[in-house]
Amino acid sequence: ETGVTQSPTHLIKTRGQQVTLRCSSQSGHNTVSWYQQALGQGPQFIFQYYREEENGRGNFPPRFSGLQFPNYSSELNVNALELDDSALYLCASSLDREAYGYTFGSGTRLTVV
Amino acid sequence: GEDVEQSLFLSVREGDSSVINCTYTDSSSTYLYWYKQEPGAGLQLLTYIFSNMDMKQDQRLTVLLNKKDKHLSLRIADTQTGDSAIYFCAERGGNTGKLIFGQGTTLQVKP
Repeated sequence: ETGVTQSPTHLIKTRGQQVTLRCSSQSGHNTVSWYQQALGQGPQFIFQYYREEENGRGNFPPRFSGLQFPNYSSELNVNALELDDSALYLCASSLDREAYGYTFGSGTRLTVV
Repeated sequence: GEDVEQSLFLSVREGDSSVINCTYTDSSSTYLYWYKQEPGAGLQLLTYIFSNMDMKQDQRLTVLLNKKDKHLSLRIADTQTGDSAIYFCAERGGNTGKLIFGQGTTLQVKP
């Protein structure tokens, strides 16, 4: 049974650019959540996807968007990157949206210059 | 509102017990979690407790929940240098799948 895998592990982008981060859920998990963790802070909830539909969103602007695919893998897209978007982006999967167990990936470290 | 607070730093000697504390505000929380994060890594689930429980023990880890005071603690017995990391308390609110995390407590274990 594989865990949650995220790609890429590190990424450097220029302000104003767009970025796509990817996440493969743990086998059998149909729910994916994305979190942003700024340096020295706890993770902040961005949104959750359940069976390809958004199932809750945190306090992030619309330039943060996502997708979930039929195989339950997911993408996080961020448009018009700002310096403050520099953070560790974590993906977590769970068996379903009611499940209490979340498996986190190792994250993608995004640096915006 | 939704808020989770933790003290930022704890230093202990190897072999001592560590106690990390957390307070939360959402009375509808269903599950509360402790995660560990080592430098440059993702989050590792250490343990969780359901909101109708007072205590949970798992090997060296003991979680205490005081629902009246909305206070959660994690006790690590016989703390080892490998326990040095950042520990996050998190609550899962109500019917949502959203986790609300504290700022994290850095645990430093001195030999």
